[in-house]
Amino acid sequence: SQQGEEDPQALSIQEGENATMNCSYKTSINNLQWYRQNSGRGLVHLILIRSNEREKHSGRLRVTLDTSKKSSSLLITASRAADTASYFCATDAKKTSYDKVIFGPGTSLSVIP
Amino acid sequence: EAGVTQFPSHSVIEKGQTVTLRCDPISGHDNLYWYRRVMGKEIKFLLHFVKESKQDESGMPNNRFLAERTGGTYSTLKVQPAELEDSGVYFCASSPRGGNEQFFGPGTRLTVL
Repeated sequence: SQQGEEDPQALSIQEGENATMNCSYKTSINNLQWYRQNSGRGLVHLILIRSNEREKHSGRLRVTLDTSKKSSSLLITASRAADTASYFCATDAKKTSYDKVIFGPGTSLSVIP
Repeated sequence: EAGVTQFPSHSVIEKGQTVTLRCDPISGHDNLYWYRRVMGKEIKFLLHFVKESKQDESGMPNNRFLAERTGGTYSTLKVQPAELEDSGVYFCASSPRGGNEQFFGPGTRLTVL
């Protein structure tokens, strides 16, 4: 079953506005990560937040984590056209001695100039 | 330090042909993962190597897919014979032993005609 699920699936905003994407997951995690994929390009790691952290900032990005609700949000402030991309949350899935990252379906963000 | 590299960046083949994708992880990383995103859907885990051993291949879709990591360095993912539904972007990621963050390559876009 899918671990991370992003909401909304698609988001369209004007340049300069803030964009908020949410992610929910089902099982306990150690870390949650957000990635971006520009059309036709590779994944870019944005930010990692550990299960004992509640909020993290990186430039225009702000990530929150609520382990009691099993949810996370990614806020992009003062959006730019270059922020247009698909955004994925990913959670680790501990199994014996190794990890694998489980991705959600992604949120497609369009920033209109 | 060089990141994860993948070759080729784009491959176009006909149904029934064979394609081999290559991933060079970051030097020294024991863990190597393959993921794919097909038809604009979510990114799915394929398999995980620890050095040259397959730790988890539960995500491999069928026996047309064969992954190897001889010598525990680079890895190849062969699709034989390719089908239309194999089209998508194949990502490779690596992480050091015990590391939390996976470093992703740029991906290989596979188009099966």
